[in-house]
Amino acid sequence: QSALTQPASVSGSPGQSITISCTGTRSDIGFYDFVSWYQQHPGKAPKLMLYDVGKRPSGISNRFSGSKSGDTASLTISGLQAEDEADYYCSSYTSSSTWVFGGGTKLTVL
Amino acid sequence: QVQLQQSGPGLVKPSETLSLTCAVSGYSINNGYYWAWIRQPPGKGLEWIGAIYQSVRTYYNPSLKSRVTISIDASKNEFSLKLSSVTAADTAVYWCARHLYVVDTWGQGTLVTVSS
Repeated sequence: QSALTQPASVSGSPGQSITISCTGTRSDIGFYDFVSWYQQHPGKAPKLMLYDVGKRPSGISNRFSGSKSGDTASLTISGLQAEDEADYYCSSYTSSSTWVFGGGTKLTVL
Repeated sequence: QVQLQQSGPGLVKPSETLSLTCAVSGYSINNGYYWAWIRQPPGKGLEWIGAIYQSVRTYYNPSLKSRVTISIDASKNEFSLKLSSVTAADTAVYWCARHLYVVDTWGQGTLVTVSS
């Protein structure tokens, strides 16, 4: 299975909005709504930010939202804050009963 | 609250077998959930290695399937990873994790370096 495709980096200024895309195939993102997004700060374990495309776990700011169209999922962060600077990974369940991650996107808050 | 505590060597020689164990507390390992291993090479992205469910059903990343074994010891409430014939490319931080369709609990992570 191939990793989901994410842009290597995105950037934005405080207060702005950014969107990170995550492209898969009909066998993963296009097949299920089991898409999740994780935030990872250096040296830390990933933290779940969104699941089932656009649902937020308890405690996650509503500045984080998600959507999906066909084989591509997206994470949008509005009102960028310095603390949002991190690596972001998408993940999807696949039709082979396995899980696959994206290659990761480094978010820089300018 | 579920907690995962990893153990195992941080240095493995090339061609040998990497072995890690994850002790589960606060939850019975056979009560459901997938118990998984995920790794991250230095400076690179996350890679799902595989998972086990209810002690008998295993699921592996096709790219690693020939070298990976994940097993459960229900009497100890722990699960293990074995990765055979390791090379330098297997150097990574390895995490154990609990998930259904999302990972909700992570171990502390173990940096495993493959070097002679």
